[in-house]
Amino acid sequence: GAVVSQHPSRVICKSGTSVKIECRSLDFQATTMFWYRQFPKKSLMLMATSNEGSKATYEQGVEKDKFLINHASLTLSTLTVTSAHPEDSSFYICSASWVNTEAFFGQGTRLTVV
Amino acid sequence: EDQVTQSPEALRLQEGESSSLNCSYTVSGLRGLFWYRQDPGKGPEFLFTLYSAGEEKEKERLKATLTKKESFLHITAPKPEDSATYLCAVQAPPSGSARQLTFGSGTQLTVLP
Repeated sequence: GAVVSQHPSRVICKSGTSVKIECRSLDFQATTMFWYRQFPKKSLMLMATSNEGSKATYEQGVEKDKFLINHASLTLSTLTVTSAHPEDSSFYICSASWVNTEAFFGQGTRLTVV
Repeated sequence: EDQVTQSPEALRLQEGESSSLNCSYTVSGLRGLFWYRQDPGKGPEFLFTLYSAGEEKEKERLKATLTKKESFLHITAPKPEDSATYLCAVQAPPSGSARQLTFGSGTQLTVLP
């Protein structure tokens, strides 16, 4: 299957700082990337849909000013958690796909805000 | 609103003991049903896509089937390395759009040696 690389795999940051997570499609051009959040023993909750060259579409209840998404190229999307607080600690996962193909997922990023 | 319900939440099997995981769904116009495997601290790994009732797909000890209301993931003679959380998802948007998925809560499978 296609390869999606997510970096970093783990990050610890201080409360009030910002953290950037990268999601790269290594062997295909992803027209769309998705960002999910997963709580322990819970399923994936879609946060936003990111289309290359346009603004991301956020799901209801997701703060767009806190979770900044950029999809500047067909192989890279970034999620920046701004002014992070302990309640933002979670497992963040990206996925990438192009029209009518399966979505392939990154390895996930464990964010801990202390 | 699309809904996906997986059962059981957790399943413990002895090595070699076959069983099935269930995924019930409610969606207006199913475009695709997906099965993923997720290991702890990792992203989901794609297993199968099913598109229409009656369709079946196999991979090693896994077989996925689909009806109009549910999907089953059959595990035949499982091994400890099959231990993982298995996620079911349905595609929400109209065809022609990239794969926006609605996930179930998963079944945590443990296979004991």
